Amino acid sequence: SSELTQDPAVSVALGQTVRITCQGDTLRSYDASWYQQKPGQAPILVIYAKNNRPSGIPDRFSGSTSGNTASLTITGAQAEDEADYYCNSRDRSGDFVFGTGTTVTVL
Amino acid sequence: EVQLVQSGAGVKQPGESLKISCKTSGYSFISYWIGWVRQMPGKGLEWMGFIYPADSNIKYSPSFEGQVTISVDRSITTAYLQWSSLKASDTAMYYCARRPYSTAYYHFDYWGQGALVTVSS
Repeated sequence: SSELTQDPAVSVALGQTVRITCQGDTLRSYDASWYQQKPGQAPILVIYAKNNRPSGIPDRFSGSTSGNTASLTITGAQAEDEADYYCNSRDRSGDFVFGTGTTVTVL
Repeated sequence: EVQLVQSGAGVKQPGESLKISCKTSGYSFISYWIGWVRQMPGKGLEWMGFIYPADSNIKYSPSFEGQVTISVDRSITTAYLQWSSLKASDTAMYYCARRPYSTAYYHFDYWGQGALVTVSS
């Protein structure tokens, strides 16, 4: 099955912009989605199908893809954005694939 | 309001069987896939499989096929994940989540609260 690789950790100053990346060959063919998970909580969907925000997700969250890399950008990071972030996509056989996860720290 | 409420978590001994539940409400149960996701302590998310309740079509992750069984009871809009013989390595949080039907969408839009399964002698 395909793999999606993320940087283990990134940090961002309060109010600044951070980009979280997700790399994998399958992203050349299929869209990525993104989840936020805070400690002790279930994941929540923040971006789906490349760059669509579910209802209730702030517009500081945005998604994009270039080649084999999908990105989640938080523009004007807030303290409450500190969390783990996971990308997901699919592979050619229809299997669901999660990224390795990125811990975002807001300084 | 879409809700997925999980139950059946607990502490089990190796070799025991277990079936955990995901009770859904607030939407048409047969119109969305239900998936299961494992998260081992301190680790990332792992897709286990999903089921389409309308026809019980199931797709398992190769990593979990033969290790677990996914099923649904349409009459009570509930999905299940079961083990016939638990191992210590099954200790994890298990989430159910809803996936839109269309193959254009491969994401989980609503999640259950999670069920913590601990396997220990």
